[in-house]
Amino acid sequence: AQSVAQPEDQVNVAEGNPLTVKCTYSVSGNPYLFWYVQYPNRGLQFLLKYITGDNLVKGSYGFEAEFNKSQTSFHLKKPSALVSDSALYFCATNTGFQKLVFGTGTRLLVSP
Amino acid sequence: ETGVTQTPRHLVMGMTNKKSLKCEQHLGHNAMYWYKQSAKKPLELMFVYNFKEQTENNSVPSRFSPECPNSSHLFLHLHTLQPEDSALYLCASSPSEAATNEKLFFGSGTQLSVL
Repeated sequence: AQSVAQPEDQVNVAEGNPLTVKCTYSVSGNPYLFWYVQYPNRGLQFLLKYITGDNLVKGSYGFEAEFNKSQTSFHLKKPSALVSDSALYFCATNTGFQKLVFGTGTRLLVSP
Repeated sequence: ETGVTQTPRHLVMGMTNKKSLKCEQHLGHNAMYWYKQSAKKPLELMFVYNFKEQTENNSVPSRFSPECPNSSHLFLHLHTLQPEDSALYLCASSPSEAATNEKLFFGSGTQLSVL
């Protein structure tokens, strides 16, 4: 079955440092992969998606994600973290038409 | 704001109550979704509607009853819920049958507590 895994419950990083939030996938065929962010008391917001093409995908708020087929990973990255990036981040993939399956989420905490 | 509005934001209900959650989208989308978000669990897809027709029911118990009167509105009727149904219920919409790679637009959710 198509699935994604987020191995870290929480990631801590200091403001100004680079950040990485990890995601691995288990997908047959060509994967469609997504990152969403959830700020406190809000719904999820789309950040970026990988369908095909360049392995480095650029998204909203300065985030990018690197698709690595050999490692079956789709890690979310940002060169310089902001305190306002603190939120819950979800990796997702399609299991079928209009069926997104999400990971368990990773809480990112950026300290001043 | 994402253009998807959910009411109420918070709801406390007893196990014998009947209540409804409402979702409205102003994006002109034709697909609407209900998701359940519980602590430390992946989001669970509950229902999908396309052009007012239910196209997905992810083995959801019958105590949850969705209704989609038009492409802009989606309801989730609740009755005789259990404490384990306490969760954040998220509504989402998307342009619809375009593809499997389209993004979802989520509302802020209704935080439900069942006593």
